[in-house]
Amino acid sequence: AQSVTQLDSQVPVFEEAPVELRCNYSSSVSVYLFWYVQYPNQGLQLLLKYLSGSTLVKGINGFEAEFNKSQTSFHLRKPSVHISDTAEYFCAVSDRLPTGNQFYFGTGTSLTVIP
Amino acid sequence: DGGITQSPKYLFRKEGQNVTLSCEQNLNHDAMYWYRQDPGQGLRLIYYSQIVNDFQKGDIAEGYSVSREKKESFPLTVTSAQKNPTAFYLCASSIFGGTEAFFGQGTRLTVV
Repeated sequence: AQSVTQLDSQVPVFEEAPVELRCNYSSSVSVYLFWYVQYPNQGLQLLLKYLSGSTLVKGINGFEAEFNKSQTSFHLRKPSVHISDTAEYFCAVSDRLPTGNQFYFGTGTSLTVIP
Repeated sequence: DGGITQSPKYLFRKEGQNVTLSCEQNLNHDAMYWYRQDPGQGLRLIYYSQIVNDFQKGDIAEGYSVSREKKESFPLTVTSAQKNPTAFYLCASSIFGGTEAFFGQGTRLTVV
């Protein structure tokens, strides 16, 4: 089974400042990697995903993430945050198994953008 | 529009009663999942199903049951054996092989 570690449970940042949300996963085998965003009392919405190819992945709302296989990391970044980015962010991993797959989630990082 | 529909959005039940949460998808996805979300604990997998008439326990299956009689439907029953059922429940689906999980809007269950 996989495990996903989000190193920061809460990240406060001022509006228009850059932010990085950190994520590490356990497996050395091939995986798919994801970042999801959740607003209060809603489901999860995909921000971006890494399946293969370029290690720098761009997503919606100006977010990007970099896959680092040697460090088993997939950190999420945004150069300038907005108030509307205040939300819970989840990193997730999926096994590439021929018999099907599960999605493993971190415990989440609560991003608060301060005006 | 294609998507996943969870109903109801809010559910209240008395302690000791079984309750069933609905999850329907029209994305033609093979795999479906149920997660439980508690503050600070992320998403924990309850059950998942890769094909019709087959499902597997996740990490916290005790006190829950599921069925998968149709491809588009994966209802979750929270039984009276579940010690602490009050939580936010999320249903998801994906194609077989899992390049992305699509989520419903969740059901918040409160047991009083």
